[in-house]
Amino acid sequence: AQSVSQHNHHVILSEAASLELGCNYSYGGTVNLFWYVQYPGQHLQLLLKYFSGDPLVKGIKGFEAEFIKSKFSFNLRKPSVQWSDTAEYFCAVVEGGSYIPTFGRGTSLIVHP
Amino acid sequence: EAQVTQNPRYLITVTGKKLTVTCSQNMNHEYMSWYRQDPGLGLRQIYYSMNVEVTDKGDVPEGYKVSRKEKRNFPLILESPSPNQTSLYFCASSTLGGATNEKLFFGSGTQLSVL
Repeated sequence: AQSVSQHNHHVILSEAASLELGCNYSYGGTVNLFWYVQYPGQHLQLLLKYFSGDPLVKGIKGFEAEFIKSKFSFNLRKPSVQWSDTAEYFCAVVEGGSYIPTFGRGTSLIVHP
Repeated sequence: EAQVTQNPRYLITVTGKKLTVTCSQNMNHEYMSWYRQDPGLGLRQIYYSMNVEVTDKGDVPEGYKVSRKEKRNFPLILESPSPNQTSLYFCASSTLGGATNEKLFFGSGTQLSVL
């Protein structure tokens, strides 16, 4: 079965620091990749997604992610975080032809002002 | 406004007392699903539905039932709740774009406590 690993469970940064959150998946075929964000007390919302094409995708609020097929990875990055980025971040993978997203366990990000 | 509406937001109940959490979407989405979110375990899918009268088990279906009699509604039923079903529940929906899901739209969540 497909599995998604988010290696960083808790990340604490100061404002203006750079961020990289890891996401690795196990499926070797075609995949569609997503990052969702959950701000405190809110529901999940889409940050960015990759279906095909340029492996470097840009999302909302200055986030970007890079799909590296050879490494089965889809890491999330932001050059300079803000206090308002404090949230939980989830990576999700859908195998091509499937309709069932598999979510990682999430990474809790705390940004100190 | 496009949205997924879950009710109630908070629910406290006792072991064995049947309950239903409702979910409704106004986007004419084919795909709907239920997740539970637990600390350290992330989101786990309970059930999903590809269309009316089509439902299937996710990763953690035990103790739950669903139905999809109308396209817009996908209620989650706990026939005999137990304390290990205390969790935060999310409903989500999406279109079925091409060969796979487009992005998921999530409801605001239901915090369930079973005493």
